[in-house]
Amino acid sequence: DAKTTQPPSMDCAEGRAANLPCNHSTISGNEYVYWYRQIHSQGPQYIIHGLKNNETNEMASLIITEDRKSSTLILPHATLRDTAVYYCIVRDSGGSNYKLTFGKGTLLTVNP
Amino acid sequence: NAGVTQTPKFRILKIGQSMTLQCAQDMNHNYMYWYRQDPGMGLKLIYYSVGAGITDKGEVPNGYNVSRSTTEDFPLRLELAAPSQTSVYFCASSQVGDTIYFGEGSWLTVV
Repeated sequence: DAKTTQPPSMDCAEGRAANLPCNHSTISGNEYVYWYRQIHSQGPQYIIHGLKNNETNEMASLIITEDRKSSTLILPHATLRDTAVYYCIVRDSGGSNYKLTFGKGTLLTVNP
Repeated sequence: NAGVTQTPKFRILKIGQSMTLQCAQDMNHNYMYWYRQDPGMGLKLIYYSVGAGITDKGEVPNGYNVSRSTTEDFPLRLELAAPSQTSVYFCASSQVGDTIYFGEGSWLTVV
């Protein structure tokens, strides 16, 4: 599996956009970038994923660089409830590897 | 559609006891997983299964056993519980190459 690197913590003001970076310089061509978050030791919650193109859903946007070596998760208008640990993961889309390996993630703290 | 259901939510075990954490999913997913999460740490994969009758070890399988007799169920058994197994356990499931959905967790304390 490709490894990911994320900052251990970030702060964001409520109502502002939160931009969470992730480095995955060893990603291979068939690996997707997934983002999950975990609030208060609840089960991880899926946010978004992408392969090459930028993606947007009701929760967030995912910007992947053209060389696919890094990505940014954007929460457009962060709220206090977005305070959580955010995990960036790369995963093979359907080869022999079905595992999802979590690192330590980024603790995002949204401040009032 | 309940998703991934784990039981029990909380359990206290004495050293040397055994128990089974239950996990069931109603999404007809082929793939199921067990993770553990120690305080302040990320999730570590214990065991996973790609279909009924097939299981494989993850990163930290020692002290655990699993079985997958049906698509829906993936129980995790702890034999001879040890304090090092005090953790939060998450079960998850997915379809091929698809999003992985997690249960709400089972908090286990071994004393």
